[in-house]
Amino acid sequence: QKEVEQNSGPLSVPEGAIASLNCTYSDRGSQSFFWYRQYSGKSPELIMFIYSNGDKEDGRFTAQLNKASQYVSLLIRDSQPSDSATYLCAVIPISGGYQKVTFGTGTKLQVIP
Amino acid sequence: DTAVSQTPKYLVTQMGNDKSIKCEQNLGHDTMYWYKQDSKKFLKIMFSYNNKELIINETVPNRFSPKSPDKAHLNLHINSLELGDSAVYFCASSQALAGSYEQYFGPGTRLTVT
Repeated sequence: QKEVEQNSGPLSVPEGAIASLNCTYSDRGSQSFFWYRQYSGKSPELIMFIYSNGDKEDGRFTAQLNKASQYVSLLIRDSQPSDSATYLCAVIPISGGYQKVTFGTGTKLQVIP
Repeated sequence: DTAVSQTPKYLVTQMGNDKSIKCEQNLGHDTMYWYKQDSKKFLKIMFSYNNKELIINETVPNRFSPKSPDKAHLNLHINSLELGDSAVYFCASSQALAGSYEQYFGPGTRLTVT
């Protein structure tokens, strides 16, 4: 089982819709969770982080964490074509120390105008 | 001002050569990292340094040697380059010692070994 799993996609949504990106992780003791956006040919860019169960909102983005079910999701409201990118979920597992951030393989999002 | 910078942006070289990639961060962060992103876009950590001290050294061939002259700089030297080393290498930094684990990435160095 991979430590951090994401559906590779592509996930296609129409402009203005809600895009829902999901991520599951294997280490139950994981404490810190991140979402990065990576445009083609560019570096990953941090868009959200969440440490506690529940929802965290920032503009059009909402991160949701459910530690009991070991999943973290990212909702993008009012999706725009500029949101088209690969979204990487990252987790700090309890094993390996706080610096060993483990990334998923990413979900490619396509927002159709 | 660029927060995390890397040089060079592109590196094309032949098998067997030795090359270096440099990274600098002006965020005042205490922790720096090297990642490798392969053709399938999987981002894998290679090394991590806290205040010039090596903390994480993943299963990376010993042809790869990181060096941190100070906490703002982390360089990567690669000996005897192989075809399989072709990838994009990202440097990143965070304020991990202070409990802030969000990482900020440099623009990447695309290494092509022919």
